[in-house]
Amino acid sequence: DAKTTQPPSMDCAEGRAANLPCNHSTISGNEYVYWYRQIHSQGPQYIIHGLKNNETNEMASLIITEDRKSSTLILPHATLRDTAVYYCIVRVRDNDMRFGAGTRLTVKP
Amino acid sequence: DAMVIQNPRYQVTQFGKPVTLSCSQTLNHNVMYWYQQKSSQAPKLLFHYYDKDFNNEADTPDNFQSRRPNTSFCFLDIRSPGLGDAAMYLCATSRAIRSGGSYEQYFGPGTRLTVT
Repeated sequence: DAKTTQPPSMDCAEGRAANLPCNHSTISGNEYVYWYRQIHSQGPQYIIHGLKNNETNEMASLIITEDRKSSTLILPHATLRDTAVYYCIVRVRDNDMRFGAGTRLTVKP
Repeated sequence: DAMVIQNPRYQVTQFGKPVTLSCSQTLNHNVMYWYQQKSSQAPKLLFHYYDKDFNNEADTPDNFQSRRPNTSFCFLDIRSPGLGDAAMYLCATSRAIRSGGSYEQYFGPGTRLTVT
């Protein structure tokens, strides 16, 4: 019953922007979109989240479409250390965070 | 400073021998989660505690149990580990999410369980 759809893998050149898409067409009005990443053999790391408006922090930007059915995570200047699996999550219900399959991003020199 | 601590980082147990994994947090968060992550798969939510309120996922096997004696600690008990239970077990915490709210999760480094 995954609520998000992501491409299984993407490549990005070092120094270029990485744009990771996520579809969440069944999202409800009060559900937030969260992004996490997991570097090999480590615990997932929170990146950013949003409801309606675009968000930016020191790690990334989150662009949410006006109808909220999809979003894009942007890493503005990807480095080799950004190679990881990126997960887009829409919370199923309060305090219930389930991960989808994620996108494996490989940043290449 | 470590905020979500999992011990041990690596655990080896024998088939059928009970094992307990531990998680502690310094964040004073209401909610603690346990996830199972098998090789090349996404983390799978097993259950979570909201304060003392235990919330089990429908497809979590009865072999997996949990205890939360206080706010800071949470344990994962595997009563009779099988070979299929070999995985990384991740603990996470968050502030309690109420309708309309949003809080991120903080994850520990995980405990890698091997079953021999």
